Amino acid sequence: GENVEQHPSTLSVQEGDSAVIKCTYSDSASNYFPWYKQELGKRPQLIIDIRSNVGEKKDQRIAVTLNKTAKHFSLHITETQPEDSAVYFCASGAAGNKLTFGGGTRVLVKP
Amino acid sequence: DAGVIQSPRHEVTEMGQEVTLRCKPISGHNSLFWYRQTMMRGLELLIYFNNNVPIDDSGMPEDRFSAKMPNASFSTLKIQPSEPRDSAVYFCASSLAGGPWNEQFFGPGTRLTVL
Repeated sequence: GENVEQHPSTLSVQEGDSAVIKCTYSDSASNYFPWYKQELGKRPQLIIDIRSNVGEKKDQRIAVTLNKTAKHFSLHITETQPEDSAVYFCASGAAGNKLTFGGGTRVLVKP
Repeated sequence: DAGVIQSPRHEVTEMGQEVTLRCKPISGHNSLFWYRQTMMRGLELLIYFNNNVPIDDSGMPEDRFSAKMPNASFSTLKIQPSEPRDSAVYFCASSLAGGPWNEQFFGPGTRLTVL
């Protein structure tokens, strides 16, 4: 089955700096790569996603890049703010709408 | 839309007891997913349904776990008998299957503690 590795497991950044989270996947059939944000005690919520026919996607301060050849994708958060502090999960999906999640990255933005 | 609804929000039970978690997906969604989240194992997919039919239950840890979806608006996850290692947050999520990939919407979760 699919295996998704996510790094780093924790990330501490100064407010205003950038944060980068990286994921690798194993199933070459995977074609959908969402990112979820989970605040403490809350549910995971989709913040951005990318499909395999696109190499990069941006939405305000967040961007995702995808390298299908290398089977890795990344989340970039620019100009970080305290409200960006949360756990971020990458995921990959192939046929059937099933998602496999990475282990999560705990991001702490220090004011 | 009320979003995905789960009940109960918190459940504390004793080892050996039966536990039933409930989920109501978003109206019109035809895929439903049960996840378990722990610090050690992260977010794991237990089982998912398309059009009320179980598609993949390979994530169900043991025969003590079972899930049903009797109709498009209701699903249950049952643990019998429960064990302390089942303590976790259980999320239900739903999406609209078919065609391009669609967002999975998560419910608020049920925090289960087995003593």
